Amino acid sequence: AQKITQTQPGMFVQEKEAVTLDCTYDTSDQSYGLFWYKQPSSGEMIFLIYQGSYDEQNATEGRYSLNFQKARKSANLVISASQLGDSAMYFCAMREEGNSGGSNYKLTFGKGTLLTVNP
Amino acid sequence: DTEVTQTPKHLVMGMTNKKSLKCEQHMGHRAMYWYKQKAKKPPELMFVYSYEKLSINESVPSRFSPECPNSSLLNLHLHALQPEDSALYLCASSYGQLLNYGYTFGSGTRLTVV
Repeated sequence: AQKITQTQPGMFVQEKEAVTLDCTYDTSDQSYGLFWYKQPSSGEMIFLIYQGSYDEQNATEGRYSLNFQKARKSANLVISASQLGDSAMYFCAMREEGNSGGSNYKLTFGKGTLLTVNP
Repeated sequence: DTEVTQTPKHLVMGMTNKKSLKCEQHMGHRAMYWYKQKAKKPPELMFVYSYEKLSINESVPSRFSPECPNSSLLNLHLHALQPEDSALYLCASSYGQLLNYGYTFGSGTRLTVV
């Protein structure tokens, strides 16, 4: 089973509007971390936002917020006031506590959502 | 310094060549990673080094050989690669095992094997 599922291969949004990118995850660990990364066409992976499994408040970083619904195992990214520079691939990722052998070093990615912001 | 620096940015190599990818960070991170990313796919973990020791090898073919000379440097030695190994190779680092430590990624090396 996939650990991270992003069901939207592509999304379109008008400049200055808000957009939500979906992410659901699967884990049996009690302790885990959820991340969103942005990857422009240049290739670099840019960290956007983090949510811990024990965090009670939804994470926010500037125009980015994470809608964390633990019981539903979802961690959707909300981008407010979209800008043309937001056009990129967006990846949801998870680190789990794991058992041993360094498994909690692993950052597992979803397949990504390609966001296009239209002027 | 909050960057992970990868060199070269682009590399074209023949199937009989030997080349190396380099990665450097000066953030005091003690875990370093190599990821491989094919076009329109998510990154796939190849290797993890923790405190300069190989912690995870995701069953990567031996034509890829990682090396961690010190806590700031990570190399990936390439030998007898195949055209299907052409991809973006991303290096990353993190403070360590705590879950809230995300990765800082480099901008990658675009490798083409001819």
